[in-house]
Amino acid sequence: DAKTTQPPSMDCAEGRAANLPCNHSTISGNEYVYWYRQIHSQGPQYIIHGLKNNETNEMASLIITEDRKSSTLILPHATLRDTAVYYCIVFNDYKLSFGAGTTVTVRA
Amino acid sequence: KAGVTQTPRYLIKTRGQQVTLSCSPISGHRSVSWYQQTPGQGLQFLFEYFSETQRNKGNFPGRFSGRQFSNSRSEMNVSTLELGDSALYLCASSVRGYGYTFGSGTRLTVV
Repeated sequence: DAKTTQPPSMDCAEGRAANLPCNHSTISGNEYVYWYRQIHSQGPQYIIHGLKNNETNEMASLIITEDRKSSTLILPHATLRDTAVYYCIVFNDYKLSFGAGTTVTVRA
Repeated sequence: KAGVTQTPRYLIKTRGQQVTLSCSPISGHRSVSWYQQTPGQGLQFLFEYFSETQRNKGNFPGRFSGRQFSNSRSEMNVSTLELGDSALYLCASSVRGYGYTFGSGTRLTVV
């Protein structure tokens, strides 16, 4: 399974953009990158996913490098409610392989 | 639209007992997956079902089993419970196996 590497934690100021990096250098050509977040032991919440192209939805933007070895999740205007653990996942064979994720703390 | 429903929300069992957890997916979703979350191991994949067929299974002992019914509802069973089985068990559903929506989980405590 392709592994992902994320920084363990990061802080962000409320109202500013939060850029969350992820390395997935062993990703295969047909594997998608998914982002989920989890707020204090609730079920993980889907954010966005992509294969090659950059993606945007109402929650976030996903930027995938041309070689697909890394990606960045962008939360355009972070709020206090965005404080959570963010997981970057390579989806393979109907399985989401969660790593340790990045604990994002949004500060007022 | 109702979300993924897991029952019960909380459960306390004694070592050696067995337990069955239930998951009702979002209407129209035919793929159901199960995950275990513990403080030490994080979120780990248990198994995935689509149209009553298991398509993938995680690295868990045979005490962990699951099944899916024709209405897409799923159950997972853990036999001969151990203290280490205490965890949050999460169910997720999707239409065909992409873009999963998670339930709130069942918190199992083994004493």
